[in-house]
Amino acid sequence: QSVLTQPPSVSAAPGQKVTISCSGSSSNIGNKCVSWYQQLPGTVPKLLIYDNNKRPSGIPDRFSGSKSGTSATLGITGLQTGDEADYYCETWDSSLSAVVFGGGTKLTVL
Amino acid sequence: QLQLQESGPGLVKSSETLSLTCSVSGGPISSSSYYWGWIRQPPGKGLEWIGSIYYNGDTYYNPSLKSRVTTSIDTSKNQFSLKLSSVTAADTAVYYCARHVAYLDYVDHWGQGTLVTVSS
Repeated sequence: QSVLTQPPSVSAAPGQKVTISCSGSSSNIGNKCVSWYQQLPGTVPKLLIYDNNKRPSGIPDRFSGSKSGTSATLGITGLQTGDEADYYCETWDSSLSAVVFGGGTKLTVL
Repeated sequence: QLQLQESGPGLVKSSETLSLTCSVSGGPISSSSYYWGWIRQPPGKGLEWIGSIYYNGDTYYNPSLKSRVTTSIDTSKNQFSLKLSSVTAADTAVYYCARHVAYLDYVDHWGQGTLVTVSS
């Protein structure tokens, strides 16, 4: 059971928008920044969003992040078939003194 | 550019110790700006943080694995290592080495990963 809760799967049509939630608590998301990773099939995870809403160089602005209270959200607009991947949220948990990941969300672009 | 490369046996017998090394190129492991960590992913499952180490040897470990995990760092070789003792089939996974920015914040660089299978 992951400390951070994500929906197992989401789906949407090409060109549409999708959001992926990540729910935590006051000991993690509530007082630490959240990052998001994209893992395309058979590849290494890649940093998508850091510090809640910042994009590394090279990440298109179709990807966005936000945080409110003890939850964070990844948004993807203009969906493409190439966005089909597993997405993970991650942060630090001060009660556990540990890096924690969400269980991952599989995005299907129908 | 920074590159991380895991090395070590791909097959470990149950109850023995898994040992992996991560070789870092393109930047010094002795930088005070980063932690160096290990993350694993069982086949078909999600990511699990194992532990991380700072250049001065400070360590943080996943509480669920802490009793079996040891990490070390060799700044002269620009390498850091992982030892996981008393392995079982549940430890079969792709093991990634990674670089955390700042105080165990986000991971900005990952190794390619190495599959370690625990056999009985």
